[in-house]
Amino acid sequence: QVQLVQSGAEVKKPGASVKVSCKASGYTFTSYDINWVRQATGQGLEWMGWMNPNSGNTGYAQKFQGRVTMTRNTSISTAYMELSSLRSEDTAVYYCARGITGIDIFYYYYYYMDVWGKGTTVTVSS
Amino acid sequence: QSVLTQPPSVSGAPGQRVTISCTGSSSNIGAGYDVHWYQQLPGTAPKLLIYGNSNRPSGVPDRFSGSKSGTSASLAITGLQAEDEADYYCQSYDSSLSAPVVFGGGTKLTVL
Repeated sequence: QVQLVQSGAEVKKPGASVKVSCKASGYTFTSYDINWVRQATGQGLEWMGWMNPNSGNTGYAQKFQGRVTMTRNTSISTAYMELSSLRSEDTAVYYCARGITGIDIFYYYYYYMDVWGKGTTVTVSS
Repeated sequence: QSVLTQPPSVSGAPGQRVTISCTGSSSNIGAGYDVHWYQQLPGTAPKLLIYGNSNRPSGVPDRFSGSKSGTSASLAITGLQAEDEADYYCQSYDSSLSAPVVFGGGTKLTVL
């Protein structure tokens, strides 16, 4: 079955970087975008960016530009999200999710996420 | 401050019908982009519930339905069950440059 398996919890100090992995299985890794979405405790979902595993092209939310890097290793069907200059506000659960894109019957573009990883808890604390 | 606006909470008794609204603007829902809904049960990852405004993925009960009109969308749940108690998020595409994928702030559904 299609699934995304994420790496384990991380504890980092302020100013450090964290790299979270997301291993895909059950489908062709290079055929679908991988998105990263985070959720602070008790808060809503926040989209961080996407990556096309085939081309390696990325798109980041303006809020994270300059601090986030999304990469992949196609030989092992794994996507990575690295966030640098960590601060306490970055403490959250980070999810990877497969992106589905297309054009609807009215010729409007759509984009949604159909499969999600279980999440990786990142704690930033001194 | 989320780009899409949802009520923080809704509630209903078992068997009742509830609706959750999602209001956007001319750069997202009002521009014609589809709305999608996710269900997040306590302590779990979000799960796709409705895609393309009104389509259900395989395995999602037909008690869940979605609609869209103008700059808003709605999720309706009929025959409310205890296991429906969860957070619900709407999501769409936005033509602004800051973040093309936008979420609502989420709605906590309580089954009384």
